[in-house]
Amino acid sequence: NAGVTQTPKFQVLKTGQSMTLQCAQDMNHEYMSWYRQDPGMGLRLIHYSVGAGITDQGEVPNGYNVSRSTTEDFPLRLLSAAPSQTSVYFCASSYAQGASYEQYFGPGTRLTVT
Amino acid sequence: KQEVTQIPAALSVPEGENLVLNCSFTDSAIYNLQWFRQDPGKGLTSLLLIQSSQREQTSGRLNASLDKSSGRSTLYIAASQPGDSATYLCAVKGESNSGYALNFGKGTSLLVTP
Repeated sequence: NAGVTQTPKFQVLKTGQSMTLQCAQDMNHEYMSWYRQDPGMGLRLIHYSVGAGITDQGEVPNGYNVSRSTTEDFPLRLLSAAPSQTSVYFCASSYAQGASYEQYFGPGTRLTVT
Repeated sequence: KQEVTQIPAALSVPEGENLVLNCSFTDSAIYNLQWFRQDPGKGLTSLLLIQSSQREQTSGRLNASLDKSSGRSTLYIAASQPGDSATYLCAVKGESNSGYALNFGKGTSLLVTP
């Protein structure tokens, strides 16, 4: 049981480039989400999904795109990278039903946009 | 909008001391509250989750309490060790949060000196 995995661990992009951050979980969790963490800002929600085929926007969705074709995977796409997207990105998952809703986080992807 | 505040922002204590980290939230309509630990350059590790109907949770030297009506939670660390040095994050899941999103505080950076 690997939990929540993210790739790559580090990435450097030039302004205007696009890329996909990968996130996978093997816990059969319905709920998955993406956060970004910036100094002095805390973690902010970008996009989330409550199941395959269902996605919605969080607090800071601009410049990002997501899709959820399977329960296991929830990739985050940067359409045209900007320096303001330099951040650490975390993927999280949890069950969508039940009493706990405890969320599990991946190790993060550290992205620098130059 | 739910605001989560953690005090103090940073704390330095000598090894062996007992310490308390504080978390407050503005909207008491929460489903649960989760405490995380984050080591430098690493992801988030869940420490304790308290359901809104619970008053406290314990795991080893850690004890988390919740006073939902006053919008407060504390994380008590007994007999602190240098290995406890990390940033501790508090996050709440509101009853009205779409998609099970968490609202995070900015964290308390803890340094335990030998």
